[in-house]
Amino acid sequence: AQSVSQHNHHVILSEAASLELGCNYSYGGTVNLFWYVQYPGQHLQLLLKYFSGDPLVKGIKGFEAEFIKSKFSFNLRKPSVQWSDTAEYFCAVNLYNFNKFYFGSGTKLNVKP
Amino acid sequence: GAVVSQHPSWVICKSGTSVKIECRSLDFQATTMFWYRQFPKQSLMLMATSNEGSKATYEQGVEKDKFLINHASLTLSTLTVTSAHPEDSSFYICSASSGEWGTEAFFGQGTRLTVV
Repeated sequence: AQSVSQHNHHVILSEAASLELGCNYSYGGTVNLFWYVQYPGQHLQLLLKYFSGDPLVKGIKGFEAEFIKSKFSFNLRKPSVQWSDTAEYFCAVNLYNFNKFYFGSGTKLNVKP
Repeated sequence: GAVVSQHPSWVICKSGTSVKIECRSLDFQATTMFWYRQFPKQSLMLMATSNEGSKATYEQGVEKDKFLINHASLTLSTLTVTSAHPEDSSFYICSASSGEWGTEAFFGQGTRLTVV
């Protein structure tokens, strides 16, 4: 069965620290990859997405992610986090020809001011 | 981004009754809608995928007779939890996309269902 793994369940950082959240998926076919963010009390919003081309994609608010096909990974990064980045982050995979979105378990990021 | 509205935001119902949750795409035509269930401290579990005008495709382990999904128009899908029991209490989230593969999905705000 297809699965999406997020290894960090809870991350605590100080402001200005660098962030990297891991995401791995298990599916041998073609995929699109997404990172969604859920701020406290709000619904899920798209941070960035990878469809094809340059494996390094840039999203909103200074986030970026790198697709490494050989590692089935799509890690999220930000060089310097801010207190306002406190939220829960979800990695998602969309399978080719199935158009289903499977989500990882989410990572709660807590940025201390 | 596009707006998806989910209603109600929360509902409390008695065991044995049915509850309907609506998911509307407000400013785009949602060819495909997804229904998820989220347990506390867990991920979103895909329950079913529905395409407008056709029957929903349910994920393995999801009871189609218990979770009735209707996607009668390009802007509305409904999830009805029939004969609800306390174990059905959960957070239900819908999302919608224009249906083309790879198109991002837009999410509703979720519905907290409590069955007493």
